[in-house]
Amino acid sequence: ETGVTQSPTHLIKTRGQQVTLRCSSQSGHNTVSWYQQALGQGPQFIFQYYREEENGRGNFPPRFSGLQFPNYSSELNVNALELDDSALYLCASSLGLASETQYFGPGTRLLVL
Amino acid sequence: GQNIDQPTEMTATEGAIVQINCTYQTSGFNGLFWYQQHAGEAPTFLSYNVLDGLEEKGRFSSFLSRSKGYSYLLLKELQMKDSASYLCAVSGHNAGNNRKLIWGLGTSLAVNP
Repeated sequence: ETGVTQSPTHLIKTRGQQVTLRCSSQSGHNTVSWYQQALGQGPQFIFQYYREEENGRGNFPPRFSGLQFPNYSSELNVNALELDDSALYLCASSLGLASETQYFGPGTRLLVL
Repeated sequence: GQNIDQPTEMTATEGAIVQINCTYQTSGFNGLFWYQQHAGEAPTFLSYNVLDGLEEKGRFSSFLSRSKGYSYLLLKELQMKDSASYLCAVSGHNAGNNRKLIWGLGTSLAVNP
């Protein structure tokens, strides 16, 4: 069974730049959720994708966007980066909307200078 | 509003038992999760409760009371490797009536020799 993978593991960007983070879901999982986790905080829900459609969004501005591909892998795009975007970005996959248990990837640590 | 409360920090001794509490107020309820997160790593799934009562899984047990909006995670025979952040998360509904996970800030547990 292939676990959730994310790339890159670490990334340094400057204010105003754009970034794309990638996630491959666990084998057989069709639902992907993205979270932002600041140091010492719990994960904050960004959005969720189910079968290539966005299925719920947290309190993040439109410059946070995403998509899911037919193979259920997913991307998170952040435009016009701000210093406060520095965080650990976590991707979690689950087996459909009715399955609550989410399995997390190792995360991408983004630093915005 | 939707809210999850758990203690920020706890300290315990190797071999002892520790109970981490979580109280919640959410729109809708589809279950409560406990995740373990070591520093710099992604959260890993520990337990899921959707019905009232105690779920036991080895050294870890989780309890839920839906009427009280209350859960606890019980860790027995503590080991040094149990030093981590423990996250409580509740599956509720967002404004669009889609399921979403609401996360607590986590309880940082330090196990001392």
